[in-house]
Amino acid sequence: DQQVKQNSPSLSVQEGRISILNCDYTNSMFDYFLWYKKYPAEGPTFLISISSIKDKNEDGRFTVFLNKSAKHLSLHIVPSQPGDSAVYFCAASGGLTGNTGKLIFGQGTTLQVKP
Amino acid sequence: NAGVTQTPKFRVLKTGQSMTLLCAQDMNHEYMYWYRQDPGMGLRLIHYSVGEGTTAKGEVPDGYNVSRLKKQNFLLGLESAAPSQTSVYFCASKDSHSPLHFGNGTRLTVT
Repeated sequence: DQQVKQNSPSLSVQEGRISILNCDYTNSMFDYFLWYKKYPAEGPTFLISISSIKDKNEDGRFTVFLNKSAKHLSLHIVPSQPGDSAVYFCAASGGLTGNTGKLIFGQGTTLQVKP
Repeated sequence: NAGVTQTPKFRVLKTGQSMTLLCAQDMNHEYMYWYRQDPGMGLRLIHYSVGEGTTAKGEVPDGYNVSRLKKQNFLLGLESAAPSQTSVYFCASKDSHSPLHFGNGTRLTVT
């Protein structure tokens, strides 16, 4: 059973607008969440993370929101730029693993930002 | 500073053949990981290591073996390749405070 789900395989937005990528999880033991970005033929690169003791974390144009009661997190990109076009993976870890690198990944959402 | 380097980048195997995927990191990281990525399934952890000489099973370890003889290297072996092992393999490393740093992947096809 998929413990981390990204239900939208793709998203298309106009340059300058907001991109919102969503992620749901089922395991209440998860306490650390990350977003990775992946370009074709490259490995995923870390974007932003959030601990379960917070409900928001911001880094420049990127903000991650965590709603623990709904087991839902989202990544907001404002403003979106064509260079943001990539596959975005949500990932989670927790329980006894903490931030050990033993991550459970979602399926990914392909973001296309149109000029 | 190359980060995480994986070799080879591409490989085609016949069913039953064996091979070793090499991963090297130059960041002096303690922890190293092997993930596989399949369409529609995200990345799944195969094996990992929390230090030189140690290895442990991840989510999908069957059909694979690993070794961590040196801190900077983490090897993933397939003893008898099967078509189900056709995938993109990513190696990653981290220290206790950092997120995972990934290599650029090895695309393996088993016919």
